Amino acid sequence: GAVVSQHPSRVICKSGTSVKIECRSLDFQATTMFWYRQFPKQSLMLMATSNEGSKATYEQGVEKDKFLINHASLTLSTLTVTSAHPEDSSFYICSAPLGGPRETQYFGPGTRLLVL
Amino acid sequence: GESVGLHLPTLSVQEGDNSIINCAYSNSASDYFIWYKQESGKGPQFIIDIRSNMDKRQGQRVTVLLNKTVKHLSLQIAATQPGDSAVYFCAENKSWSSYKLIFGSGTRLLVRP
Repeated sequence: GAVVSQHPSRVICKSGTSVKIECRSLDFQATTMFWYRQFPKQSLMLMATSNEGSKATYEQGVEKDKFLINHASLTLSTLTVTSAHPEDSSFYICSAPLGGPRETQYFGPGTRLLVL
Repeated sequence: GESVGLHLPTLSVQEGDNSIINCAYSNSASDYFIWYKQESGKGPQFIIDIRSNMDKRQGQRVTVLLNKTVKHLSLQIAATQPGDSAVYFCAENKSWSSYKLIFGSGTRLLVRP
């Protein structure tokens, strides 16, 4: 099946630094990708929709200046957590739909971010 | 507000038994539903999906049932195995033009050997 990868799988950083997370669709192109955040023992919360060639669409309550999204190509979206703080520590997961609208979304393995 | 599966129950089953995981959704406009399995520290894995023009769909060892009247979705796993232990999430999509998914709170399945 379709594969979505993320890098890095785990990152520890100091408070105030910025962290970039990559999401790649490995065997298909994705004009749209999604970024989710998941806190321990909670569900996935959609943060934003990454659109190739245009600006990302952010969900209500998500700061676009803090979580920068760039959809550089049809197979790559990046999420940059700027000036990270301990409360940003979470599990960040991306997804990409295979094919057209309403087709199956495949998820990456996730990136564990720990901000000290 | 919109919600899918507000509670996070834990279901414990004996290996070999059948499991039934339930999900309630609140948006009657939703017309596409998906079940995902998430193991600890990993991303969600697609299990099965169903569109609102169907009320049942079967996969390998799994069956999804959709009851639009009461806005209820269930996932049935036959002959549950230890490898089935995970958190299961239902998700809904309510817009034909959007890929956005709304996730439920999840159910933890524990399989006893």
